[in-house]
Amino acid sequence: AQKVTQAQTEISVVEKEDVTLDCVYETRDTTYYLFWYKQPPSGELVFLIRRNSFDEQNEISGRYSWNFQKSTSSFNFTITASQVVDSAVYFCALRTSYDKVIFGPGTSLSVIP
Amino acid sequence: GAVVSQHPSWVICKSGTSVKIECRSLDFQATTMFWYRQFPKQSLMLMATSNEGSKATYEQGVEKDKFLINHASLTLSTLTVTSAHPEDSSFYICSALRPRTRFGETQYFGPGTRLLVL
Repeated sequence: AQKVTQAQTEISVVEKEDVTLDCVYETRDTTYYLFWYKQPPSGELVFLIRRNSFDEQNEISGRYSWNFQKSTSSFNFTITASQVVDSAVYFCALRTSYDKVIFGPGTSLSVIP
Repeated sequence: GAVVSQHPSWVICKSGTSVKIECRSLDFQATTMFWYRQFPKQSLMLMATSNEGSKATYEQGVEKDKFLINHASLTLSTLTVTSAHPEDSSFYICSALRPRTRFGETQYFGPGTRLLVL
């Protein structure tokens, strides 16, 4: 079975705090892709990152960083020095061998000024 | 810029009418497109996989006769909500799979269509 779990439904942080969004996935495929998307109130998905199952290297892009650990089937996302503009719903997603993208339930992040 | 478009971006209709939503890949040919539905404060749920020139593959629990999908060309897939009812009110999002490049396949999402059935 393919599944994505985001245990945090809602998170509130004060501006400039760091915040980590958790993602745990399940798949029997040996080749798969993991994604993070941001969905602001407008609704349009914003692509943040894609990782394939063979690349466990962590990645940093500006204030964003991702920690991929196959041993724990986790792909966590950290925002450093959060800003109000980071307020959105964030989805972790898994693409299977049949090219379907399965989304986690999402984490709603509120950054308070 | 956007590589997948959807039209209309929002639609309001009366119960019982049919609504057609278009999804276009703008600068690439997409043999495979996907349709998702998102209810308020919920995640995106895959409805069906649309393959050019063949019948769509629907996910379990999605009514084929209610949600008609036509992938008539390599750049266009349409979703028709037939005899829409208020419970069909939702945010419909399509995505298109860009064929393999040296960077691998990439899936692009459209901006979504908000449907409100009165």
